[in-house]
Amino acid sequence: DTGVSQDPRHKITKRGQNVTFRCDPISEHNRLYWYRQTLGQGPEFLTYFQNEAQLEKSRLLSDRFSAERPKGSFSTLEIQRTEQGDSAMYLCASSLALGQGGEKLFFGSGTQLSVL
Amino acid sequence: AQKVTQAQTEISVVEKEDVTLDCVYETRDTTYYLFWYKQPPSGELVFLIRRNSFDEQNEISGRYSWNFQKSTSSFNFTITASQVVDSAVYFCALSGFNTGFQKLVFGTGTRLLVSP
Repeated sequence: DTGVSQDPRHKITKRGQNVTFRCDPISEHNRLYWYRQTLGQGPEFLTYFQNEAQLEKSRLLSDRFSAERPKGSFSTLEIQRTEQGDSAMYLCASSLALGQGGEKLFFGSGTQLSVL
Repeated sequence: AQKVTQAQTEISVVEKEDVTLDCVYETRDTTYYLFWYKQPPSGELVFLIRRNSFDEQNEISGRYSWNFQKSTSSFNFTITASQVVDSAVYFCALSGFNTGFQKLVFGTGTRLLVSP
């Protein structure tokens, strides 16, 4: 069990650029989640996947955001035309879900995005 | 709507003191889950406990204990004989039937500083 890994740990970009983050979940986990956390706040739900299917997206996820989990393993989160308000920590989590939810989540260390 | 309130922004204690972190929640669901997660400086949230709405029994795990009271919509967390390694941000979270068990709603967190 190597845990959830996220890459990169830090990303600095200029406003208007596109960025992509990667998340590798724990290998046997079927659910994968993306959360966003800003300074002094708790994580906010963005989206989640059950295997390769994206089952729910938050209203926080504007058209500039897209997430994929093509083979039900790793996931990518892309932000197009970044804005300063996108600056945050992007957290990935995974779980082994046997029912409707409410299971224990395993989080990665996050990708800290700074948009200049 | 679901909401989690952690009114204590920061708590400072000296090692070996007991400390209680407060969590008050709001939900219209009758079936829901409550969680506590710990976020050390590394950034990775670590699961501590999950309770479902039908189980009001208090729980003790080593130096940690949790008090769940539906009558006051509270799920408080006590650390007995605190240690420097307990220094972290602690988040209380909620997921419910109507908004989806897969989606956690977090409070704003309580930063605990334990000094030697």
